[in-house]
Amino acid sequence: QSALTQPASVSGSPGQSITISCTGTSSDVGGYNYVSWYQHHPDKAPKLIISNVSNRPSGVSNRFSGSKSGNTASLTISGLQAEDEADYHCSSYRSDSTVVFGGGTKVTVL
Amino acid sequence: QVQLQESGPGWVEPSQTLSLTCTVSGGSITSGDYFWSWIRQSPGKGLEWIGFIYHSGSTYYNPSLKSRLTMSVDTSKNQFSLKLSSVTATDTAVYYCARGYDLLYWFDPWGPGTLVTVSS
Repeated sequence: QSALTQPASVSGSPGQSITISCTGTSSDVGGYNYVSWYQHHPDKAPKLIISNVSNRPSGVSNRFSGSKSGNTASLTISGLQAEDEADYHCSSYRSDSTVVFGGGTKVTVL
Repeated sequence: QVQLQESGPGWVEPSQTLSLTCTVSGGSITSGDYFWSWIRQSPGKGLEWIGFIYHSGSTYYNPSLKSRLTMSVDTSKNQFSLKLSSVTATDTAVYYCARGYDLLYWFDPWGPGTLVTVSS
C-alpha cells in the first residue's frame, strides 16, 4: 500500500505562511474529499486539524487551512508561530475501503 | 469527552503475537457514527494505518498486514483489541488507537500511544 507523498521538511520564519503538499492518486486524494491533516508533537498523540479537505474542527486555530486540486491536497499554516513546530501528516480514504497516510512533514520555525 | 488509552506488553519476541487493547472512556464504543482504529509509527517513519473495526465486529485491514492481523471488539468492556502474529523487528513501532468518523474517515481523538519493541 503506497503512502501519500509529502515533503520531508518545510521551514519558515515566525509570521510567514507555509504550505505542505500531499500527493496521491485518483484512487485516493483525487477521487474523494476525505483528506485529513494531523499535527503531531513529539511524544504526544496526533491531533486532527483539518478534516474532509478543508473543514477545521472546533478549537483549531484559523491559521490552519486546507485545500485540494486534482490529486494533491495542501495544508497552509499562516502567521507561523513557534508552537506550530511539529510533524504534520495527511491521510486519505482509498477506493479499496482502506485509509492511507503520507510520510509526514517536519515543520521547523526558524 | 471521549478518551482512548492503549495497553499491552512493551516488548514482544520475534515470531510471537503482539496483543494490544484500547479502552474507551467518556463515550460508548457502540455509537453508530464511529469506527475504531489502530495506527502505528515505526521509528523515523510516517504513520501507517493498520485497520479499523465497527462495534458490530466488521473489520477493514491494511492489505499489507491482513494475513497476520486480527481485530476484535468487546462492547461490554468498551474496549477493542489488536493481535498481530509472526512479528519481526519491522513491527517495532508506537501503536496508537483512535476513533474514526464513519463515512468521513478522519481520526479524533487518539490515544497517547504505546511503544512496542520486537526483539529477542
